[in-house]
Formats: sequence, C-alpha cells, structure tokens
Amino acid sequence: NAGVMQNPRHLVRRRGQEARLRCSPMKGHSHVYWYRQLPEEGLKFMVYLQKENIIDESGMPKERFSAEFPKEGPSILRIQQVVRGDSAAYFCASSSGTGIQETQYFGPGTRLLVL
Amino acid sequence: GENVEQHPSTLSVQEGDSAVIKCTYSDSASNYFPWYKQELGKRPQLIIDIRSNVGEKKDQRIAVTLNKTAKHFSLHITETQPEDSAVYFCAANKGSTLGRLYFGRGTQLTVWP
Repeated sequence: NAGVMQNPRHLVRRRGQEARLRCSPMKGHSHVYWYRQLPEEGLKFMVYLQKENIIDESGMPKERFSAEFPKEGPSILRIQQVVRGDSAAYFCASSSGTGIQETQYFGPGTRLLVL
Repeated sequence: GENVEQHPSTLSVQEGDSAVIKCTYSDSASNYFPWYKQELGKRPQLIIDIRSNVGEKKDQRIAVTLNKTAKHFSLHITETQPEDSAVYFCAANKGSTLGRLYFGRGTQLTVWP
C-alpha cells in the first residue's frame, strides 16, 4: 500500500532554469495539495487540484508557478525561471475526495536548491 | 482567511514529563484540526485530529482538546520519550470542498533522556 510518492527528492537548479516536481497520490486518492516549507517555518498552502481541475490556487505566486494534475500520471508543480527565493521543501499531500474534513497524507517532499 | 498561531516555538522536557502545545485560530468556520509530527528531513505525519463536534480526543499518550468558544486547541503528550522529539504542527481546515490546511509555525519539542 504505497503512500504518497514525490520525485525527485532533491533537485538543484541554477537561477533561470526550470524545476518540475512530481507527485503521485496514494492509491485511490483523487485530490492533491501542494505546500511549500521554508526553513524554520510551517507549511504554506499553494494549490489544490483534482484530476484535470484546479480547485484552489490562491496560494500560488501569480508568475512563474503552475500546477497540473492530468487524467493520467502524476501531479506536476512547475517553477519557471527559478530564483534563490524558491529554495524550499515542496510537499504534496493527497486525500480520497470522498467527503469533507478529510485526512491529508503527505509525501516525503522535494528539496529544491537554487544556486 | 484563517490565521493559526502556535505556542511555544520551542519546548524542552525531561523524559517522562508531559508536554503541551497550544494553538489558536481566527475563523469560527474552521471545524477540523489535525496535528502533524515532522522529524528532521522527513514528511509531516498525522498523529491525531479532532473535529468540532467533540471537545477532546485521546490516543494512548496523545490527546487533543478543543475549545470552540475560545477558538483554541491543544496537544497533550504524556510520559514523553526521546523519540517524541520532533517538530509538531497544528493546522485548521474549514471542512468545505476547499480543502486547504492552514498551519501554525511549528513547535520544536526536545525530550531529554
């Protein structure tokens, strides 16, 4: 019973490059959330997606960041033209989508370092 | 939106003592309050949660209390062990189809043997 999977676990990019972070939800889960964690801080919500739909992107920066959750395959968080301030741990979480107040299960995170 | 505040930011206790972490929230519409434990370099893991229709929930050495009137909830860990050392995050959720969690800034708990 695999949990939430994320890859890569670590990603190093130079300023101006693109970063693509992948998240595969738990089996049977159709809702995916992305959170960002800066050092010594809590998790900040970025975006909430269901298959082929963005439900809430109120936490996403307006520029350079995008997310998708296609019908087939993992959810992708894409950061274009990365800057040093994008260095952080990016966690995705998934839930079953069968009701409200659902438990969110987190993946191991992708630690992005921008040089 | 919602604002979740968490105190203290650091907490050191002796093994066997109790630890209490407190959180307040601002939005009375919030009705689901999970607690996550995060060890260094690891993923946040749910340890206990409480919904607004109950005031207290217990699971072995861990308990959570909720005061809806005062808009605060607390995590209680009894008989602490060194392996309880981690960062603990409280969170709140409005339980609607907008499922985002609002997190506190975390409490670094250290249990000394």
